Amino acid sequence: DTGVSQDPRHKITKRGQNVTFRCDPISEHNRLYWYRQTLGQGPEFLTYFQNEAQLEKSRLLSDRFSAERPKGSFSTLEIQRTEQGDSAMYLCASSPRTTGAIYNSPLHFGNGTRLTVT
Amino acid sequence: AQKITQTQPGMFVQEKEAVTLDCTYDTSDPSYGLFWYKQPSSGEMIFLIYQGSYDQQNATEGRYSLNFQKARKSANLVISASQLGDSAMYFCAMKGGGGADGLTFGKGTHLIIQP
Repeated sequence: DTGVSQDPRHKITKRGQNVTFRCDPISEHNRLYWYRQTLGQGPEFLTYFQNEAQLEKSRLLSDRFSAERPKGSFSTLEIQRTEQGDSAMYLCASSPRTTGAIYNSPLHFGNGTRLTVT
Repeated sequence: AQKITQTQPGMFVQEKEAVTLDCTYDTSDPSYGLFWYKQPSSGEMIFLIYQGSYDQQNATEGRYSLNFQKARKSANLVISASQLGDSAMYFCAMKGGGGADGLTFGKGTHLIIQP
């Protein structure tokens, strides 16, 4: 069994360029989350998918950010016209379908993609 | 809105001692879950322990236990017999009963275990 996989691990880009990150969740997990973590802070929620449907987006997710999960499996997060403030660790997490309350299901995180915008 | 507060930015603890990491939370949801994660310097977020708002007993997982005091809205993590490998960032997080929005995290506590 493999965990959540993210690619690339590191990305260095120049301001103004577009970048795309990929996340492959644990195979039987139907929920997928994107988080952003800056230095010295806890992860901040960006967006959430249940299967292929994007159900919630944070106010942190400006119109330069777009996320997709076209077939309910892997997901991509694209940042257009990157800015230096976008430099952060981007974490993907997944959690399984539950028959009961969803609040007791832990998220399983990938190792993240560290983005540096120069 | 949910909020997690971790008031200890950093802690130094001697190896083999027990350590308590503080976490308080605020929510209007009657049903919620509380989680602790460990983040070593390599960056991965490792799930440690979970406590449900209706659970009568404190959660335990090996050397980890959660001191849940619902009336005080606190969910402190206790690590017994600390080891050098416990050095890491520790995050408290919660998810509400109506929450499809994943977890709300605190700012974390940087724990350093000294030999």
